[in-house]
Amino acid sequence: AQKITQTQPGMFVQEKEAVTLDCTYDTSDQSYGLFWYKQPSSGEMIFLIYQGSYDEQNATEGRYSLNFQKARKSANLVISASQLGDSAMYFCAIPASGGSYIPTFGRGTSLIVHP
Amino acid sequence: DTGVSQDPRHKITKRGQNVTFRCDPISEHNRLYWYRQTLGQGPEFLTYFQNEAQLEKSRLLSDRFSAERPKGSFSTLEIQRTEQGDSAMYLCASSLQVAVTEAFFGQGTRLTVV
Repeated sequence: AQKITQTQPGMFVQEKEAVTLDCTYDTSDQSYGLFWYKQPSSGEMIFLIYQGSYDEQNATEGRYSLNFQKARKSANLVISASQLGDSAMYFCAIPASGGSYIPTFGRGTSLIVHP
Repeated sequence: DTGVSQDPRHKITKRGQNVTFRCDPISEHNRLYWYRQTLGQGPEFLTYFQNEAQLEKSRLLSDRFSAERPKGSFSTLEIQRTEQGDSAMYLCASSLQVAVTEAFFGQGTRLTVV
């Protein structure tokens, strides 16, 4: 079964600084994807970025990038130039195998951006 | 179409009452998922539909829970005889029927059982 581990319950960063949120995963699939979501206090899960296991380049979306290390089974999210609006919960997810592709989530990391 | 819509956003109910939540997915999305999220935890999978067929159910989905997606469009999640432990955020998500793709979430229904 797929598993996501996020070991940082909370992170703090100064506005305009970069921050890295850790995610390690476990899967027996050869081909898979990894997702990151942001959940502000309003509750909605917002998709941020996707990394395919066979993608040669690390994924980037604006200020978000993935530090994907396949051999280590890690897919860390890097947020550059943090903004106050980045304060939220961040979840890493991996789809289940077997055809359902049901996303399995980690416990999340709470990010607080200080002015 | 502005995304996944859930109704109601908040529900307070007395223990023992039945509640029903509705989810309207993005119109072209075949897959629909229900999750439960408690404070400090990630979303936990409850059940999954592909079109109108309910293909997977989690062990979390006790016999007091039932979900339907009658015409392959909107879905409902009903909890019968609610218990205080049912208090949580219930999230609905939908996605296209392709191999690996992102799921889009609604804003959730926050249930409080008193």
